[in-house]
Amino acid sequence: GQQLNQSPQSMFIQEGEDVSMNCTSSSIFNTWLWYKQDPGEGPVLLIALYKAGELTSNGRLTAQFGITRKDSFLNISASIPSDVGIYFCAGQLGSSNTGKLIFGQGTTLQVKP
Amino acid sequence: DAGITQSPRHKVTETGTPVTLRCHQTENHRYMYWYRQDPGHGLRLIHYSYGVKDTDKGEVSDGYSVSRSKTEDFLLTLESATSSQTSVYFCATRDYGDTQYFGPGTRLTVL
Repeated sequence: GQQLNQSPQSMFIQEGEDVSMNCTSSSIFNTWLWYKQDPGEGPVLLIALYKAGELTSNGRLTAQFGITRKDSFLNISASIPSDVGIYFCAGQLGSSNTGKLIFGQGTTLQVKP
Repeated sequence: DAGITQSPRHKVTETGTPVTLRCHQTENHRYMYWYRQDPGHGLRLIHYSYGVKDTDKGEVSDGYSVSRSKTEDFLLTLESATSSQTSVYFCATRDYGDTQYFGPGTRLTVL
């Protein structure tokens, strides 16, 4: 089946540092989504991207839809302790009304105060 | 928060027993999804529903069945649980946009 390769798998950083993670695929996606999962909870949508080359921000988070439509990037600036969690990328194929998503394996972020 | 509850939140069962997990939503969203989350695999779609009595398979549907007899409820059934089905199960709902809203999850252990 289709897969998204997300990297890095985990990061342990100091508070205040910037964070970068990315997702790549062998398939073309028309929509890229970034979710965050806090410990013991379900994922929550952070950013949605709809167009190749699009750069979108949500507070300290910035995500980009790759030009090839096969990759996406998420940056977190000036990390804080509440950024701890698992970050997932997800791709949506075509213009499917079903909303079926393919998820990456996740990047676990730990922030040291 | 789309008013999604999952029950039970935790369950321990034995191999070969049937298990049903329930997802309940209060937002009248048309689409509902069941995912499983396992270390190293992210979330994988088991089954989804695009309306009452309308369901279809996801990428890891073997050993699972679903039913949706009313808009607010989506049931996931393991007919005969196996240890490989030990996982955290998430329900999600969606209206007509791209945002899927996830429930709090059910941790299932099959001994």
